[in-house]
Amino acid sequence: AQSVSQHNHHVILSEAASLELGCNYSYGGTVNLFWYVQYPGQHLQLLLKYFSGDPLVKGIKGFEAEFIKSKFSFNLRKPSVQWSDTAEYFCAVSYSGGGADGLTFGKGTHLIIQP
Amino acid sequence: DGGITQSPKYLFRKEGQNVTLSCEQNLNHDAMYWYRQDPGQGLRLIYYSQIVNDFQKGDIAEGYSVSREKKESFPLTVTSAQKNPTAFYLCASSIRRGKGYGYTFGSGTRLTVV
Repeated sequence: AQSVSQHNHHVILSEAASLELGCNYSYGGTVNLFWYVQYPGQHLQLLLKYFSGDPLVKGIKGFEAEFIKSKFSFNLRKPSVQWSDTAEYFCAVSYSGGGADGLTFGKGTHLIIQP
Repeated sequence: DGGITQSPKYLFRKEGQNVTLSCEQNLNHDAMYWYRQDPGQGLRLIYYSQIVNDFQKGDIAEGYSVSREKKESFPLTVTSAQKNPTAFYLCASSIRRGKGYGYTFGSGTRLTVV
């Protein structure tokens, strides 16, 4: 079965620090990759997604992620975080072909930005 | 505005009762999904439906049931057989089944067993 591993469950950073959240997936075939964010009290929002093409994907709010197929990774980055980035971040994977549908999520990373 | 509506936002259930969570979308999406979110567990797939009158079990379907009689609606019933139903439930939809065109999520229902 597919699985998604997020390396850090809790991350605490100061404002203006650089951020990198790790994500690895287990499936060796063609995948679609997503990062979602859940701000306190709000529903899941899509930060960015990768389907094909340029492995460096830019999303909203200054976030980007790089797909490295050889490492089965899709790490999320932001050069300078803000207090408003405090949230729960989820990496997710889906098949692009047949088989089981829906998204497989990692367990999430709770990011706290200290002012 | 198009989107997904989940109701109620908060739901309390007594032990041994069945409860039904509502999910409605006006996005004309083919596929709909139910996820359960627990602290430290991420989101886990309960059931999904790729087309009207068809649905499939996800990773944790035991103790749950669904129906898909209309394209817009995908209600989830949490039965008394579900041993640990207290959780946050999220409904989602997507425009193409299995093609990864992106998913839209509802705002969730928090179910508490009392």
